[in-house]
Amino acid sequence: DVVMTQSPLSLSVTLGQPASISCRSSQSLVFSDGNTYLNWFQQKPGQSPRRLIYMVSNRDSGVPDRFSGSGSGTDFTLKISRVEAEDVGVYYCMQGSHWPPTFGGGTKVEIK
Amino acid sequence: EVQLVESGGGLVQPGGSLRLSCEASGFTFSNSHMTWVRQAAGRRLEWVANINSDGSDQYSVDSVKGRFTVSRDNAKNSLYLQMNTLTAEDTAVYYCAKDPRVLPIWGQGTVVTVSS
Repeated sequence: DVVMTQSPLSLSVTLGQPASISCRSSQSLVFSDGNTYLNWFQQKPGQSPRRLIYMVSNRDSGVPDRFSGSGSGTDFTLKISRVEAEDVGVYYCMQGSHWPPTFGGGTKVEIK
Repeated sequence: EVQLVESGGGLVQPGGSLRLSCEASGFTFSNSHMTWVRQAAGRRLEWVANINSDGSDQYSVDSVKGRFTVSRDNAKNSLYLQMNTLTAEDTAVYYCAKDPRVLPIWGQGTVVTVSS
């Protein structure tokens, strides 16, 4: 199975400051159709995961533009340009390019 | 509104069975590949099983093969997960979700607790 490694495990950020989460895969996530199925999810306490970014860099409808995704191959990043209080939660990367789909271990974002 | 609503979770003894259901609305269920994902306390999200749009192909993670069966009824816009021979390791919140490669939509989850 493809191993997804996220860092850091947790992040304490001052309101209004940027945050960055790294996600590395044990194999290239370029699928045979040319797409890279690397997605990012946000999970708030007591809630189900919510997708923020799909296929590396496409923001979902309703997701603030302070969230952005980038990367290629095996190395990916989720950035929050200016952290707001509502961004507190756990962030997961997930790959859907190889079977079975696998998730990173999560990065907990809190406010300093 | 696009929605997935799971049900059927609960407390079950080791070796027991449960059947989870997931009712879909707001999108064309019969055209969608569907998946089950679980989340045990303190552990990362884990993909459990997948079924294609017409139900002719199913896949599951090795740890549940031979014990869990995913199925669907497109006439009822419903997805199911039959779980047999449950162990403590299966204790988790179980989510149904749409489109396994990109998971745009998730249900609210249903809690399965395996304990004597």
